[in-house]
Amino acid sequence: ILNVEQSPQSLHVQEGDSTNFTCSFPSSNFYALHWYRWETAKSPEALFVMTLNGDEKKKGRISATLNTKEGYSYLYIKGSQPEDSATYLCAFRASGTYKYIFGTGTRLKVLA
Amino acid sequence: NAGVTQTPKFQVLKTGQSMTLQCAQDMNHEYMSWYRQDPGMGLRLIHYSVGAGITDQGEVPNGYNVSRSTTEDFPLRLLSAAPSQTSVYFCASSGLAGVPPNGDTQYFGPGTRLTVL
Repeated sequence: ILNVEQSPQSLHVQEGDSTNFTCSFPSSNFYALHWYRWETAKSPEALFVMTLNGDEKKKGRISATLNTKEGYSYLYIKGSQPEDSATYLCAFRASGTYKYIFGTGTRLKVLA
Repeated sequence: NAGVTQTPKFQVLKTGQSMTLQCAQDMNHEYMSWYRQDPGMGLRLIHYSVGAGITDQGEVPNGYNVSRSTTEDFPLRLLSAAPSQTSVYFCASSGLAGVPPNGDTQYFGPGTRLTVL
């Protein structure tokens, strides 16, 4: 059974703080790692698709890095804003399969 | 484009009843999937399909059936509802991997909240 873990489970930060979360996944048979942003009462929305070791992706104040050899990805938010409050999910896909395994998410609350 | 649509939004069933959750997408995506979301468990894959006529099991397929007769539709059937199937169900679709610009990014429907009494 493939295991995808995210840490921390939740955190509260002050507006303007920078923060980061971790997604850990199996380091063998890697195909892709996705990050999603999930606001309360809405559906998950894709942030990044990462496929190559060393990938760095950026969208505004949010960026992500990928290390497939050691099996982790970091998501960074610079200068957090209240509208960044959401649950951030990662999803791992192994090569040779179409199955996505989601982590349980990191719930972020940005305090104004 | 409507994207991914799901019906109904809410449903209450009695134990033993059957029902079908509907999912449709208008993006011509080959890949469609069903997830359930339970507190503390994240999203768990129930079934998925890589094209019309092709389906396969995910992590938690027991008690659910699927079929894919068209590219657009991917219904999820609960054969005999149980309280353990109380959950929020999400349908998602994507292109198959390698097709730019979004690769295999999944697009999610709004979800169906199901309660089984």
